[in-house]
Amino acid sequence: EPEVTQTPSHQVTQMGQEVILRCVPISNHLYFYWYRQILGQKVEFLVSFYNNEISEKSEIFDDQFSVERPDGSNFTLKIRSTKLEDSAMYFCASSGLGRVNQPQHFGDGTRLSIL
Amino acid sequence: GDSVTQMEGPVTLSEEAFLTINCTYTATGYPSLFWYVQYPGEGLQLLLKATKADDKGSNKGFEATYRKETTSFHLEKGSVQVSDSAVYFCAENSGAGSYQLTFGKGTKLSVIP
Repeated sequence: EPEVTQTPSHQVTQMGQEVILRCVPISNHLYFYWYRQILGQKVEFLVSFYNNEISEKSEIFDDQFSVERPDGSNFTLKIRSTKLEDSAMYFCASSGLGRVNQPQHFGDGTRLSIL
Repeated sequence: GDSVTQMEGPVTLSEEAFLTINCTYTATGYPSLFWYVQYPGEGLQLLLKATKADDKGSNKGFEATYRKETTSFHLEKGSVQVSDSAVYFCAENSGAGSYQLTFGKGTKLSVIP
């Protein structure tokens, strides 16, 4: 069964550094998402992306965050100047074209640790 | 904004026990409802879904019924196994042009032999 893959599985970065989290969505999917889960808290929506642009974003997704689909397969989340509170598990997801209730398929996540 | 409330965990059950994990939502209208499961060290996997009132989602012996009148989507399984040990997340998508999922806090289930 096709799956969403994320790299790296664990990223350790110094505060203030830029970090790029990478995702390869399921190949025929057209909607892409990033979520995060701070340890012990809820999974929170960050952003959705469709047709090469952001379709929706949450309050968390401020100017330090950006997303990009640099080629036909990758979908990236960039955090420009990381803060301690950015430490979390980041999940990428994708879904197919169709009605809005198409299920989202998640990757295994990238654990981001900011020192 | 919309929210999803699940019963607090952790929940510990003996093998073959009956499982219920309660979930309620606040979205108005007719949101789509989902249960996701996260096994240790893995990502979120869709377990089941329901998209309209009175729908029953089912998979791997788990069931949940979309109850509009009580705004609930409780997860049940008649006989749990050790392999069901995981964290279970209830989630909703309100529709109306939005694609984001709103998750509950998750309920950790441990099944002991």
